[in-house]
Amino acid sequence: QSVLTQPPSASGTPGQRVTISCSGSSSNIGGNYVFWYQQFPGTAPKLLIYRNNERPSGVPDRFSGSKSGTSASLAISGLRSEDEADYYCAAWDDSLSGPLFGGGTKLTVL
Amino acid sequence: QVQLVQSGAEVKKPGASVKVSCKTSGYTFTNHYIYWVRQAPGQGLEWVGKINPTDGRTDNAQKLQGRVTVTRDTSTSTVYMDLSSLRSEDTAVYYCARGLSSLAAYFDNWGQGTLVTVSS
Repeated sequence: QSVLTQPPSASGTPGQRVTISCSGSSSNIGGNYVFWYQQFPGTAPKLLIYRNNERPSGVPDRFSGSKSGTSASLAISGLRSEDEADYYCAAWDDSLSGPLFGGGTKLTVL
Repeated sequence: QVQLVQSGAEVKKPGASVKVSCKTSGYTFTNHYIYWVRQAPGQGLEWVGKINPTDGRTDNAQKLQGRVTVTRDTSTSTVYMDLSSLRSEDTAVYYCARGLSSLAAYFDNWGQGTLVTVSS
């Protein structure tokens, strides 16, 4: 598996709740922690969620993560215009012996 | 505060090599792995390689095996990524990132990115 599977796009209106899925296999999500990164155009990714569902300090509690089996999800509640960005899931892959990223989901706030 | 500062953009011809640096500060250099991740234009993130600054041991993505070399200079807390036999598909922004675990996709600080353009 070369990438974790994410929908290429997602959208919502301000105040709505949006979820982004991430699908993998037993060699990555199924046996390792999932991480989520937020990336704005022209900037480096920023850690958003670590170890499946933990938030680094400074990340609003509107962002939450979950994992079940070989899939994971990122949920954003109370959607705001400044949440418009690309979101990537990531997990260690035992076959790759390295980190594996999702293809990214472009979130649009309508 | 933790900082990772990368070298500037590069333009290279196919077949050439490029060396990108990542100077770290604000923490004990040998306490954390440094990873290299690249992003082709309009594309997602792809792991390139990693180094253990303590002993210099490296692991690289299999698809780049033989073309990528990651090294470190402990005297300046700097990590280098050397990519040889460049092809057009190597055109990407290359990021260095501090890893908080040796076996997890857990990166808490990133460099600003270095654009490497491969073009004849």
